[in-house]
Parts: sequence; C-alpha cells; structure tokens
Amino acid sequence: SQQGEEDPQALSIQEGENATMNCSYKTSINNLQWYRQNSGRGLVHLILIRSNEREKHSGRLRVTLDTSKKSSSLLITASRAADTASYFCATRHNQGGKLIFGQGTELSVKP
Amino acid sequence: EAQVTQNPRYLITVTGKKLTVTCSQNMNHEYMSWYRQDPGLGLRQIYYSMNVEVTDKGDVPEGYKVSRKEKRNFPLILESPSPNQTSLYFCASSTKGQAVVTGELFFGEGSRLTVL
Repeated sequence: SQQGEEDPQALSIQEGENATMNCSYKTSINNLQWYRQNSGRGLVHLILIRSNEREKHSGRLRVTLDTSKKSSSLLITASRAADTASYFCATRHNQGGKLIFGQGTELSVKP
Repeated sequence: EAQVTQNPRYLITVTGKKLTVTCSQNMNHEYMSWYRQDPGLGLRQIYYSMNVEVTDKGDVPEGYKVSRKEKRNFPLILESPSPNQTSLYFCASSTKGQAVVTGELFFGEGSRLTVL
C-alpha cells in the first residue's frame, strides 16, 4: 500500500506549545500535502510541499520533507485551542495521480 | 462563497433502499471525486470524474454508482445499500489544472450515512 502513516495517532498539548506531527510513506512522491479536519467537518487544505523542496512555511505552519527517509513533518508553532483537529498527510506519487491519505493525527490543544 | 455542498449531511436508512447523496460545487471545477472515511482506514477514493460524462473507478467502487451530467454536480448513488457502506462520505473538487499538476482538493462538509 502507498498509504502514508501518521505519527502519533493522537497528541495532547497545552495552548502556546508547539505541535509536531509526522508522516511516513513507502514509494517516491510527486508532492505531499497536509489537510486539517475539524470534528464533523470536511478536510481543508493547509500546505503542499513538492518532492524537490525540503521546507515550507505558511503562517504558524512549517512543513519539512526528507525524501531519503520518505517522511514529512508538520510543525504548528504557538498552538491555540482552535488548532484542535485531525491532521492528515496526503501523498501524490505521480503527476496526474490521485491523492492517498494517511489515517491522521488527532491534535487536542488545551486552553 | 466558493464551496462544495453535499446533501444530506446525515442519513439513516435500511438495507436495500436506494439512496443518492448529492454533491454540487460552485467553483466551475472540472475534477470531482468521492471518498469514504472509516476509522483506521483513512480516506479512500470511491469514484472520480475529470469532466462531464467522464467518470472512473477509485479504490473502492463496489456498491456505488456515479454520474456526471453537469459540470457542477456529481451524485453518488447506492443502488442497494448494505451495512458495510455505513461511513462518512466526502465529495471533493478541483480545477483540471490542480487535478493534473498538484492534486490539491476542496472538500465538502461530509455526509454521514448509516445503513441498518
């Protein structure tokens, strides 16, 4: 299976702390994307990193990609209670191919 | 407001009773897709469509049908629902360019279906 695996499955932190989630995959990718899903809602695209990129920033989000280890991490800095959600990585293994989603990391940020 | 709209959001039905989950997008997107989300299995693609009258199977198409008669609509049809189709369903869309180049998707709010 090409499906990505997220780690940890669940993460609980205090407001203001940083949250780090990891994603590993098995076969080479074209790009890797992170999505957020608030409870009972649809997924929202957060950030995309291409296979030739190593790091990308968007506001309080920082994504890194290590293609040699076939892994990515999503860092949320200075977390807020509103960041409480499930976070999914999705990999694309060739241009024109479908997105393959991992099982997600459930993040809980306590006020 | 740009959005993907699914209906119904919640449905409880019985085995064998045909149902349709509608999906409509107002962004003039060419690409549309259906996913199901199950605990421990993540999101799995059911069907997708690159444009009007063009549909293709995803990873788990058994028991489902789709049609794409208009660009904005992509209904998911369960001809004879069974309990193993109890799931959370998502419709997603993107431009053709996004579908080809990046794969980035815009998701609807989801439809929670229970088949008894």
